[in-house]
Amino acid sequence: AQSVTQLGSHVSVSEGALVLLRCNYSSSVPPYLFWYVQYPNQGLQLLLKYTSAATLVKGINGFEAEFKKSETSFHLTKPSAHMSDAAEYFCAVSEGPKTSYDKVIFGPGTSLSVIP
Amino acid sequence: DAGVTQSPTHLIKTRGQHVTLRCSPISGHKSVSWYQQVLGQGPQFIFQYYEKEERGRGNFPDRFSARQFPNYSSELNVNALLLGDSALYLCASSLFGLRYFGPGTRLLVL
Repeated sequence: AQSVTQLGSHVSVSEGALVLLRCNYSSSVPPYLFWYVQYPNQGLQLLLKYTSAATLVKGINGFEAEFKKSETSFHLTKPSAHMSDAAEYFCAVSEGPKTSYDKVIFGPGTSLSVIP
Repeated sequence: DAGVTQSPTHLIKTRGQHVTLRCSPISGHKSVSWYQQVLGQGPQFIFQYYEKEERGRGNFPDRFSARQFPNYSSELNVNALLLGDSALYLCASSLFGLRYFGPGTRLLVL
């Protein structure tokens, strides 16, 4: 079984400060890991994904995440927060690129606020 | 290229009614999945269909059903609606681990 936990349901940072959103996962098979962003009243947009290649993954909008197997973590970071980063962020896990079985488990989400 | 499309965008129903939500995947994608996102929570997996067959089902009651058509579009049906069914319903199409979500259908049950 797979599961995802996100520490901190709400995170506030100042504009220009480091963004750190925490994600820990549990998986009985090598996981594929994802970060999605959701802006108010919109669907989900993929920020980045880990698919068993490089452990440091770079995504869109300056975000990156590092896969640490020993810590079962996949934390999301951005060096300098921008006002437009204010949104809900979801960490997610799946079993891999099996088109015939594509179940994604999402974490509860972290709401990011950026203070001017 | 068109992304995943869902219809309708918004829907208001009353308790006990039935609802049908529709999803059109990206061209070439044969897999469609449905997720329910209750306000303030992460999306929860409801169903996955691949090549018109159900390949996965989440922990949802039998009031929820779905099907996939020969053109790979999909419908999600919910019978006997409850207030707790109010949520954003997301559809995703995927191909070899590349997954794309639609904008969702926001359902309000009164």
